[in-house]
Amino acid sequence: EAQVTQNPRYLITVTGKKLTVTCSQNMNHEYMSWYRQDPGLGLRQIYYSMNVEVTDKGDVPEGYKVSRKEKRNFPLILESPSPNQTSLYFCASSASGQVNTGELFFGEGSRLTVL
Amino acid sequence: EDQVTQSPEALRLQEGESSSLNCSYTVSGLRGLFWYRQDPGKGPEFLFTLYSAGEEKEKERLKATLTKKESFLHITAPKPEDSATYLCAVQGGGSNYKLTFGKGTLLTVNP
Repeated sequence: EAQVTQNPRYLITVTGKKLTVTCSQNMNHEYMSWYRQDPGLGLRQIYYSMNVEVTDKGDVPEGYKVSRKEKRNFPLILESPSPNQTSLYFCASSASGQVNTGELFFGEGSRLTVL
Repeated sequence: EDQVTQSPEALRLQEGESSSLNCSYTVSGLRGLFWYRQDPGKGPEFLFTLYSAGEEKEKERLKATLTKKESFLHITAPKPEDSATYLCAVQGGGSNYKLTFGKGTLLTVNP
């Protein structure tokens, strides 16, 4: 089954404790991206990657890091989480040609709470 | 900067009561306008892509249309299973591989 898998789905942590949210896709997609979704603000792009070793900032990259060492994985790293990073996070992927058609495949989401 | 505004924020319909959701956008050179459906606790699910004014796409009870300033998602004779948040997104000419999303319309269809 084609899917984008995120882990963990739910996490409560404390300010300053480094954490990583993993994202893996099994569709051999070149493009992967991270979004956060907040009430009243909608989905906002954090980082995206066009292919292995190629990443770029989205609209709200501050406080986040990403890496793309393998095609299937695109982890989101919060080096020193703060309460304003409490949010619902989504990973998405797409074949290169499908990005411009808007056909993104989203994961189930990871709800992060930073105390 | 690309901008997307969706209205209404929430819409409650009776089963079978047709209506429309609105997506107004401002972009520099529209590459595409996209509609997604998001169920509670799930990631968004792709519905449609529209590229140019006058274009229409249909899927079951949903029909998306596009003008130069806005898009409409028409829902004909909705059923309770159509209840979801509907998201609109655009890709502008200056934003390679970046979608700008609206805040969504929460649709509730009562039986």
